[in-house]
Amino acid sequence: EIMMTQSPATLSVSPGERATLSCRASQSVSSDLAWYQQKPGQAPRLLIYGASSRATGIPARFSGSGSGTEFTLTISSLQSEDFAVYYCQQYNNWPLTFGGGTKVEIK
Amino acid sequence: EVQLVESGGGLVQPGGSLRLSCAASGFTFSNFWLSWVRQAPGKGLEWVANINQDESEKYYVDSVKGRFTISRDNAKNSLYLQMNSLRAEDTAVYYCARNSGSYYEAGRKYYYYYMDVWGKGTTVTVSS
Repeated sequence: EIMMTQSPATLSVSPGERATLSCRASQSVSSDLAWYQQKPGQAPRLLIYGASSRATGIPARFSGSGSGTEFTLTISSLQSEDFAVYYCQQYNNWPLTFGGGTKVEIK
Repeated sequence: EVQLVESGGGLVQPGGSLRLSCAASGFTFSNFWLSWVRQAPGKGLEWVANINQDESEKYYVDSVKGRFTISRDNAKNSLYLQMNSLRAEDTAVYYCARNSGSYYEAGRKYYYYYMDVWGKGTTVTVSS
């Protein structure tokens, strides 16, 4: 099983600032990496797939990078609606696995 | 509108059974892999199971193998999760999700298993 480790667990950021979230895989997943956003009481929403491709309707302030075992989600200028929990997921191997999540909170 | 709607959750005693359903609309259901993903209270996301278009491929997380069965009915645009021998640790919100993306290599079609459409979830509570 491929373990996905996200850091930090909590990120405190002021509105308008840049947020950088990390996701590390225990072995290479190539570019088979997705990022999701989840707000309280809501289902997750796909942000990024293929490590760097934005899903339909996702604002350009969200960007993904990386390959192999190291990945990054960057939110260039945090808006109020971006405060949420973010999960990475690898889909290179069974079982599919998620990271533990990073909570982005208002500083 | 592309939509997934789960149902069938509820309170069940340990050792009991429950069948979850997921009704799809707004897209060609039979063209897609589908997933069940769960989230225990206050915890992160956990993938549970996947099924391909014609039910010839099914995958499960180890913790539910032999207890849960994923299935689908393409004529009814519906996905199911039969859950038997339920345990307290199965308590969670259960989401169904559509997998998206494909590519061709050497004339064969391969699929990506990221989840581009999610339902709102149905809650399963296992408790005596």
